[in-house]
Amino acid sequence: NAGVMQNPRHLVRRRGQEARLRCSPMKGHSHVYWYRQLPEEGLKFMVYLQKENIIDESGMPKERFSAEFPKEGPSILRIQQVVRGDSAAYFCASSHLDGGRGISEQFFGPGTRLTVL
Amino acid sequence: AQKVTQAQTEISVVEKEDVTLDCVYETRDTTYYLFWYKQPPSGELVFLIRRNSFDEQNEISGRYSWNFQKSTSSFNFTITASQVVDSAVYFCALSESRVASGSRLTFGEGTQLTVNP
Repeated sequence: NAGVMQNPRHLVRRRGQEARLRCSPMKGHSHVYWYRQLPEEGLKFMVYLQKENIIDESGMPKERFSAEFPKEGPSILRIQQVVRGDSAAYFCASSHLDGGRGISEQFFGPGTRLTVL
Repeated sequence: AQKVTQAQTEISVVEKEDVTLDCVYETRDTTYYLFWYKQPPSGELVFLIRRNSFDEQNEISGRYSWNFQKSTSSFNFTITASQVVDSAVYFCALSESRVASGSRLTFGEGTQLTVNP
């Protein structure tokens, strides 16, 4: 019963490069969320996706960041032309629709630690 | 807008002491969900509990207990007889209710708990 999988666990990029972070939700989960945790801070919501749809991207920076959750395969968070301020831990979470209670709790992956040199 | 406040940035206790972590929230929704997550030094996020706004019954799970007071918009977390392994950052989070859909979590800034032997 695998949990939420994220890879890579650690990613180092130089300024100006692209970072691609992957997230495979728990089996049976169709909702994916991305959060960012800057050093010494709490988690901040970025985007919420269902298969092939972006439901809420109100927390995404307007430029350089994009996310997708295709019909097949993992969800991808893509950061173009990374800058030092993008260095953070990026967490993916997944949930399912609990017919009896509405939304279910979100289960988190181990995170990807992005370091921009 | 939603907001979660964890006023205690750091707490340090000696093993076997009881400790309470405070959480105060703000929301305009009448239906919402509250969560606690634990982030140990290894960095992953571990789900601890979810409560909905209809259910003010307090909950106990082993050494953990939660006190939900709607009148004061608080959802406090108590660890009884703390252990060194309880050392972690604890996050309180709030989610609005969306019919037949998921919803993003708004996190507090976290409380760093250190349990000393």
